[in-house]
Amino acid sequence: DTEVTQTPKHLVMGMTNKKSLKCEQHMGHRAMYWYKQKAKKPPELMFVYSYEKLSINESVPSRFSPECPNSSLLNLHLHALQPEDSALYLCASSQEMRGPRGNQPQHFGDGTRLSIL
Amino acid sequence: SQQGEEDPQALSIQEGENATMNCSYKTSINNLQWYRQNSGRGLVHLILIRSNEREKHSGRLRVTLDTSKKSSSLLITASRAADTASYFCATDGAQLIWGAGTKLIIKP
Repeated sequence: DTEVTQTPKHLVMGMTNKKSLKCEQHMGHRAMYWYKQKAKKPPELMFVYSYEKLSINESVPSRFSPECPNSSLLNLHLHALQPEDSALYLCASSQEMRGPRGNQPQHFGDGTRLSIL
Repeated sequence: SQQGEEDPQALSIQEGENATMNCSYKTSINNLQWYRQNSGRGLVHLILIRSNEREKHSGRLRVTLDTSKKSSSLLITASRAADTASYFCATDGAQLIWGAGTKLIIKP
């Protein structure tokens, strides 16, 4: 069991659909992350929220829209995705984005496996 | 962005043997972390080693860090089938910078 919960676990959508991925943590962490991971590759950072404010956007296309409604929740809104967006989308959290001694350990959810038809 | 390399890319050993994975990086760091990812699951944080530390242990895991060579190694002793997974190193920066990963297979 992980302390970061992601829903849904699997999602199949067409290129014209609108859907949302959800992530929840109750560890009191103030930094939350979205990653995209392709098979046999490391995770690629998409967005970072720190204290509910968007801190990092790694030049992600606007068809991905993040939202942080409160300190425990993180959403990723999807619209007009492309087949190449099919991947595992991982949410993670950490106490802070960076501490005085560098990046802090991140806690990951099990991801949403997204398939674009 | 990727900071460095991990080797080997894949490693297959018999249960009970030791497994060693290496990670090299390019810039100075405050710390280096190792994560495990089982198939179809999220990543799990294993261990963090700070730049002023040379070795750290956690159960059957031993991590070393050589900042002069900009490299780290992860040793798993007495491997078990459950250790089958991909292992990633990550160095710190504006955000975590991930290595390419090592896929470890433990044969029963």
